[in-house]
Amino acid sequence: RKEVEQDPGPFNVPEGATVAFNCTYSNSASQSFFWYRQDCRKEPKLLMSVYSSGNEDGRFTAQLNRASQYISLLIRDSKLSDSATYLCVVIRKAAGNKLTFGGGTRVLVKP
Amino acid sequence: DAGVTQSPTHLIKTRGQQVTLRCSPKSGHDTVSWYQQALGQGPQFIFQYYEEEERQRGNFPDRFSGHQFPNYSSELNVNALLLGDSALYLCASSAQGKETQYFGPGTRLLVL
Repeated sequence: RKEVEQDPGPFNVPEGATVAFNCTYSNSASQSFFWYRQDCRKEPKLLMSVYSSGNEDGRFTAQLNRASQYISLLIRDSKLSDSATYLCVVIRKAAGNKLTFGGGTRVLVKP
Repeated sequence: DAGVTQSPTHLIKTRGQQVTLRCSPKSGHDTVSWYQQALGQGPQFIFQYYEEEERQRGNFPDRFSGHQFPNYSSELNVNALLLGDSALYLCASSAQGKETQYFGPGTRLLVL
């Protein structure tokens, strides 16, 4: 079983709609969580950190559920520019500060 | 403020050859990590350098080696290239002890 798993998608989303997707992690010792965004043939860029109490950044909301070992990302009022692959990342401090990535969830926002 | 830079952007090699990829970290960062991203997959951690030493290593064979220089820049070397080494190689920099890593644009390696 992979340490971090994501639904690869694609999630086809009408412009203006809301989309949400999860990421599950297998190691309960995982301590820090992030969402990165990766555009086609580009490098990953940090979208947001995920805090235990949940957090929001504009149209993006991230949640952490430690009991069920998953994090989620919700995008409201989707824009065409939100089309990208969203990578879930976990860090276990015992394993150092290496980033462990999921395989990514592809989101396609269509007019 | 320059971000993370990598060179070359693209590279084509044949099986059995050796390759060296280069990375300059973001200003103020002293830690460099390397990742391999195969097509359609998430990046996989190769190793991390701090104070010119390899501090952590992922599940990659010894054909993958690296180096960090006193100015914090880094190289990734891959010997005896295999077709399966074709991938996007990403360098990420961070400040020691900080979790946030910033990625360079990557080097796209094709092994024929």
